[in-house]
Amino acid sequence: GAGVSQTPSNKVTEKGKYVELRCDPISGHTALYWYRQSLGQGPEFLIYFQGTGAADDSGLPNDRFFAVRPEGSVSTLKIQRTERGDSAVYLCASSLTGLGTGGKETQYFGPGTRLLVL
Amino acid sequence: AQKITQTQPGMFVQEKEAVTLDCTYDTSDPSYGLFWYKQPSSGEMIFLIYQGSYDQQNATEGRYSLNFQKARKSANLVISASQLGDSAMYFCAIVTGNQFYFGTGTSLTVIP
Repeated sequence: GAGVSQTPSNKVTEKGKYVELRCDPISGHTALYWYRQSLGQGPEFLIYFQGTGAADDSGLPNDRFFAVRPEGSVSTLKIQRTERGDSAVYLCASSLTGLGTGGKETQYFGPGTRLLVL
Repeated sequence: AQKITQTQPGMFVQEKEAVTLDCTYDTSDPSYGLFWYKQPSSGEMIFLIYQGSYDQQNATEGRYSLNFQKARKSANLVISASQLGDSAMYFCAIVTGNQFYFGTGTSLTVIP
């Protein structure tokens, strides 16, 4: 079966522009997560969806970042007025039921979108 | 507060030898999960092994085993019989509540 897919694989934009990053989770997975990974660092949690709703968005760095999952499958991470510091790899992951099961839910990651803000 | 600490930025191991990658964690939550992921140069995070805080036995998955010492808050990954394809970044992670926290990773290089 298909794994988690993310598009685009690479995105170059100019400072101040708006970008959208897309994530297609594994079919049937109700939980979806977004992370940001800067060079030489581990992934940093951004937001966690359970179905259509954001169960935890405390990792979003500021109000320029927003994510949606309107039908409980595909999710889009939106970044407004991009800054050079937003350059990173944005990783998406999905799991079958989510974090409410005592932590046993393995997350399956996509290949990431490499965002470069010039 | 730092949740996961990986003190080895880089490690080398001879092919076919065993290697231990260190991980310590910090949480006051009695219920948590510990994960190890591998990230090759292609960038994709690959799940390796999971240990629950209430699990009595150390987790094992093929050549991977987790040396879980709860009182010391450590969850070291042991890779036996290293292969060239094991060369990658390895991340330890903890899940508590609704969030995952990753460490900064250890770069493993397997030498032929």
